[in-house]
Amino acid sequence: EVQLLESGGGLVQPGGSLRLSCAASGFTFSSYAMSWVRQAPGKGLYWVSIISGDGGNTYYADSVKGRFTISRDNSKNTLYVQVNSLRAEDTAVYYCAKAQLYYDSPGAFDIWGQGTMVTVSS
Amino acid sequence: AIRITQSPSSLSASTGDRVTITCRASQGISSYLAWYQQKPGKAPKLLIYAASTLQSGVPSRFSGSGSGTDFTLTISCLQSEDFATYYCQQYYSYPWTFGQGTKVEIK
Repeated sequence: EVQLLESGGGLVQPGGSLRLSCAASGFTFSSYAMSWVRQAPGKGLYWVSIISGDGGNTYYADSVKGRFTISRDNSKNTLYVQVNSLRAEDTAVYYCAKAQLYYDSPGAFDIWGQGTMVTVSS
Repeated sequence: AIRITQSPSSLSASTGDRVTITCRASQGISSYLAWYQQKPGKAPKLLIYAASTLQSGVPSRFSGSGSGTDFTLTISCLQSEDFATYYCQQYYSYPWTFGQGTKVEIK
């Protein structure tokens, strides 16, 4: 069964850090780009970052650039995001998602994890 | 960044109705558009990719159309399990962006 399982969320003070993880199973992890998407309470979806299958290419939303770092360990089938300098507006459920392969480029998100909640508050 | 304007933000409909949701991109994105369904407390689910290709396992009452800047998601005969929030998303250029969402409620 294809599955993504996030972990690492929690309550953190403003300015703090966390590392979120996403364990993948049921597919050839290294063949697909992986992404983080977040959703603030009661709000819509917001794309955060993406990393290519080999980890060589990364892209970020402007609001997290310089504070978040996406990475992956293909030997462990795990995706990560290091989130630093957290702000109240980073409070959200963070989903990891697998991107389809679409004409040799990342495409739509066909598999999603259940999400992990990050709350930034003093 | 490419802005995606989704409308309406909410709609009320009855079972059996035909429902249409639109997304407009601030610049041309070819067919690099996906549609997702999200139910409360759940992760989004991919319905349509490449603007009009139905994801495996998704009922045929869902359809997508459009190219360039204007796109449409149509539910031909609304079922009870279709009451949810729907999002479009462009994956033409980074940063990828989502529409604001359309909540489909029971009339």
